[in-house]
This record gives sequence, C-alpha cells and structure tokens, in this order.
Amino acid sequence: NAGVTQTPKFQVLKTGQSMTLQCAQDMNHEYMSWYRQDPGMGLRLIHYSVGAGITDQGEVPNGYNVSRSTTEDFPLRLLSAAPSQTSVYFCASSRDRESGYTFGSGTRLTVV
Amino acid sequence: AQKITQTQPGMFVQEKEAVTLDCTYDTSDPSYGLFWYKQPSSGEMIFLIYQGSYDQQNATEGRYSLNFQKARKSANLVISASQLGDSAMYFCAMRESGYSTLTFGKGTMLLVSP
Repeated sequence: NAGVTQTPKFQVLKTGQSMTLQCAQDMNHEYMSWYRQDPGMGLRLIHYSVGAGITDQGEVPNGYNVSRSTTEDFPLRLLSAAPSQTSVYFCASSRDRESGYTFGSGTRLTVV
Repeated sequence: AQKITQTQPGMFVQEKEAVTLDCTYDTSDPSYGLFWYKQPSSGEMIFLIYQGSYDQQNATEGRYSLNFQKARKSANLVISASQLGDSAMYFCAMRESGYSTLTFGKGTMLLVSP
C-alpha cells in the first residue's frame, strides 16, 4: 500500500518556467490537499479538493492551479515560477471529515 | 487571528523525561478535531494523535497523550519518557466541521538530549 506518492522529490526551476507537481493516492480518499511549508510559517493550504471534479482555493492559491479529474490524482501546477515559490510542498489525503490527513513525502522546490 | 497557536518555538528535554508541547486554538465551531503531527529531520509528516471536541477522555497513543482542556481551548501534547528519536518538529492542527482541511500552527522544535 503506497499511500500518498509525490513526484518529483526535488526540483530546481528557473524564474518563469512552469511545472506540475504530481500527487497520487491509492486509498480511495475523497479529500486531498496541497500545502506549502516555509521556515517559521508552518504549513499553509494552497488548494484542496473534496472529490473528483471539485476543487477550491486555500490560504495561498496565487500562482498555482489544480485539477481533480480522478479520485486518485491531484496535480499542482505552477504557472510561472517565482523565487517566492521556493518551498517544500506536501500533498495529503483524507478519508472523511473526521479523519486525519496522510501526507506524501514532499517535494522540495527551488526557484532561481 | 491565528486559529492555532504554538507559543514554544523550541523545547529542550533530557532523555527519559516527560515534556509538554503547548497548543491553543480558536474556533466558534462546536464540532472540531485536533491533531498532532511529528516532522523529523527527514521531512515526512507523521500523524501522532487525534482528539475530537466531543470526546470525553483525553486521547492517548502509546507514549503520546493529549491534554485537552476545552474551556481553555488548549490541546497540549504530552510525551512521556522522551527518547532521542523524539527530536523533531511538532505541529498542532485543527479541523473544523465546516471545513475539509487542516489548519496548522507554526510548530515547536523539540530536542532531546542524552
């Protein structure tokens, strides 16, 4: 049982480049979220989804897009990378509102 | 206003001692859940313990217990008999009934010394 799988684990982008962070879960969880972690800031919510075809914005959505075409996959797209998007990104999934989230291992992104 | 406040940026404890990590929360929702996660230096987020707002008893999971004081809106994590492997960042988080996501505090770095 793989849980939540994030790829890549590390990425370096140049300012202005675009890329997609992949996230897949094999637990048939309805709820999925993307967080970014910056030093001293904790984890901040970027976007989330409560099921296939349904997404919404979190606390820091600017510069990111998401889609949820299947229950399993929840990719995060950076449209035009900026140095301020240098961060560690976590994808997480949850079975229902009463359950905690299971996290992926994270993607460390550096934008130069 | 912050929904989750962790006032201790860093804590030091000696091996085999108990330690309490503080967490206060702010919500007007009568139904909510409180979570603690551990993040070791390797970076993964590990779920430790959960407390529901209607739970009558404090949650326990092995050496972890959650000291839940509803009136004070606090949900402190107690680690008994600390081990060197407990050195990590610890995050408190809340999930309110109207939301499907977690709100995190800024974390407390715990260092356990021999």
